[in-house]
Amino acid sequence: GQQLNQSPQSMFIQEGEDVSMNCTSSSIFNTWLWYKQDPGEGPVLLIALYKAGELTSNGRLTAQFGITRKDSFLNISASIPSDVGIYFCAGRDPNTGNQFYFGTGTSLTVIP
Amino acid sequence: DAGVIQSPRHEVTEMGQEVTLRCKPISGHNSLFWYRQTMMRGLELLIYFNNNVPIDDSGMPEDRFSAKMPNASFSTLKIQPSEPRDSAVYFCASSLGLSTGELFFGEGSRLTVL
Repeated sequence: GQQLNQSPQSMFIQEGEDVSMNCTSSSIFNTWLWYKQDPGEGPVLLIALYKAGELTSNGRLTAQFGITRKDSFLNISASIPSDVGIYFCAGRDPNTGNQFYFGTGTSLTVIP
Repeated sequence: DAGVIQSPRHEVTEMGQEVTLRCKPISGHNSLFWYRQTMMRGLELLIYFNNNVPIDDSGMPEDRFSAKMPNASFSTLKIQPSEPRDSAVYFCASSLGLSTGELFFGEGSRLTVL
């Protein structure tokens, strides 16, 4: 199945730094979701986006639905050690039965 | 509120044995999805249901895999016979509908086939 191009693949940052990651697709999506997955756990939904251009925040997290509807980004401000984990984007494609397609993940390491 | 509930959390079995994974979606959600996650291939959609009816099973790898949803609150994914290459984490997820709502995941079932 289709996979989204998510970057970067991994990040090593100092505590307190801001983080930015993004996903791009060759298809137009009608929904973008961002998840965080901790080891041994399921993905946990962080932010949902439904409209092109939409900018949504959840605490220190901010995500945007790209104007072209083919991309989205997630920013984390003032990172803390518990932000460590793998972040996934997911996009819903209206042209394939509204299936969700997932990015390959961004592994985030925060150095105290 | 209870989220998506999966069982077992961990399963270790021998090649050739039958494996049954179970899922209870979030109450009121009409769509249920089974995913498999591996390091090599990431999250792969296996099959999904809407209103208990299988909609697309094109992601099911082989005839050894089957899934059922006998009612709105229960689904199973069965592998018979299991093989070592089936070792992965299997996730169940649910959403309000196919075109609406967010996708919520269970904690996963980690399967190891020896």
